Amino acid sequence: GAVVSQHPSRVICKSGTSVKIECRSLDFQATTMFWYRQFPKQSLMLMATSNEGSKATYEQGVEKDKFLINHASLTLSTLTVTSAHPEDSSFYICSARVGTGFMQYFGPGTRLTVT
Amino acid sequence: AQTVTQSQPEMSVQEAETVTLSCTYDTSESDYYLFWYKQPPSRQMILVIRQEAYKQQNATENRFSVNFQKAAKSFSLKISDSQLGDAAMYFCASFGNEKLTFGTGTRLTIIP
Repeated sequence: GAVVSQHPSRVICKSGTSVKIECRSLDFQATTMFWYRQFPKQSLMLMATSNEGSKATYEQGVEKDKFLINHASLTLSTLTVTSAHPEDSSFYICSARVGTGFMQYFGPGTRLTVT
Repeated sequence: AQTVTQSQPEMSVQEAETVTLSCTYDTSESDYYLFWYKQPPSRQMILVIRQEAYKQQNATENRFSVNFQKAAKSFSLKISDSQLGDAAMYFCASFGNEKLTFGTGTRLTIIP
């Protein structure tokens, strides 16, 4: 149980275009989903926290207008990178949580390359 | 605010031997949880072990155990009988105030 999927696993887009990444909880309802970013050989940095039906809470330094997060249902959250630039190339990981507990279940990640 | 520090960027151990990965943390939360995650080359984050801060007893999961020293804010991971499949990046993490904060990771190499 507690499986989280991400789609796509890899995406390449041209500079200036937008790309959407989906995060789904497959066998449970996730009231909260988290988005992380991981640069090569570095740690995971929390970008934002999204609660179903409400606006996402972004961490300091994360551009809200660039990284649009939507959590429209209890099983789906999306991250849209708008007007992508090469510096947005990174590994994006989502996680999902049931209720208000401390356990998070991680997706397999999405590698974004902006050319 | 929370900080997690892993002072060992890389560690190596002979297969079947024991290795300890270090982690220190700082938090202003009175209620928090500590984790060790493994990230193999596939990049999938895998939970290795967790510790509730209010519990004094050290957590154990098969070959993995922790040494939780709350006063010293230390949370080390011991891997016994190391196996080739244990090779990965290991991240220490602290959960408090609704956020999970990760350390910088330790790359563990297993020598056959």
